[in-house]
Amino acid sequence: EPEVTQTPSHQVTQMGQEVILRCVPISNHLYFYWYRQILGQKVEFLVSFYNNEISEKSEIFDDQFSVERPDGSNFTLKIRSTKLEDSAMYFCASSELTVPSTDTQYFGPGTRLTVL
Amino acid sequence: DAKTTQPNSMESNEEEPVHLPCNHSTISGTDYIHWYRQLPSQGPEYVIHGLTSNVNNRMASLAIAEDRKSSTLILHRATLRDAAVYYCILRDPGGTSGTYKYIFGTGTRLKVLA
Repeated sequence: EPEVTQTPSHQVTQMGQEVILRCVPISNHLYFYWYRQILGQKVEFLVSFYNNEISEKSEIFDDQFSVERPDGSNFTLKIRSTKLEDSAMYFCASSELTVPSTDTQYFGPGTRLTVL
Repeated sequence: DAKTTQPNSMESNEEEPVHLPCNHSTISGTDYIHWYRQLPSQGPEYVIHGLTSNVNNRMASLAIAEDRKSSTLILHRATLRDAAVYYCILRDPGGTSGTYKYIFGTGTRLKVLA
């Protein structure tokens, strides 16, 4: 069964450093998402991406964040200068284009980001 | 804010059916109801979704009220591996390209007793 994969599973970084979290969405999917979950809290939407453009972003997704689909398979989330409060699980998700759209999103296993 | 309300926690005995309720009184006519679950330290896992009719798949059944303002996820025989947080989700539109985002609530933490 196709699945979303994410690397690395755990990333430890120093405050102020740049990190790139990588995701490989399901191959025939066209919509991509990032969510995050701070320990013990709800899963929060960060950004959606379609046709090489950001479709929607949340208030959390400020200028320190960016997303990219550098090739036909990867989808990345970059945090330019990490803060302590960026420590969280980051989940990538993807969905396919269907008519009518049920937009069922399939999530990856997550990357645990620890900012020291 | 989440458009759904669920009990914070429920318990079930192993091998017994579990009914997880969800209220979504503001649901629109075109909103699908999605259920996901999250096992400890894992990503949300798709369970089932539906629009109006009751739905069955290998994981669970979804019973949708006639007025669609509530739904119930049914696990027919709970196992220890079903212990997770279960989320009932309505998508939230707003993307410029027709994308939707999921607004997660706190979900229902299901504890399965051996």
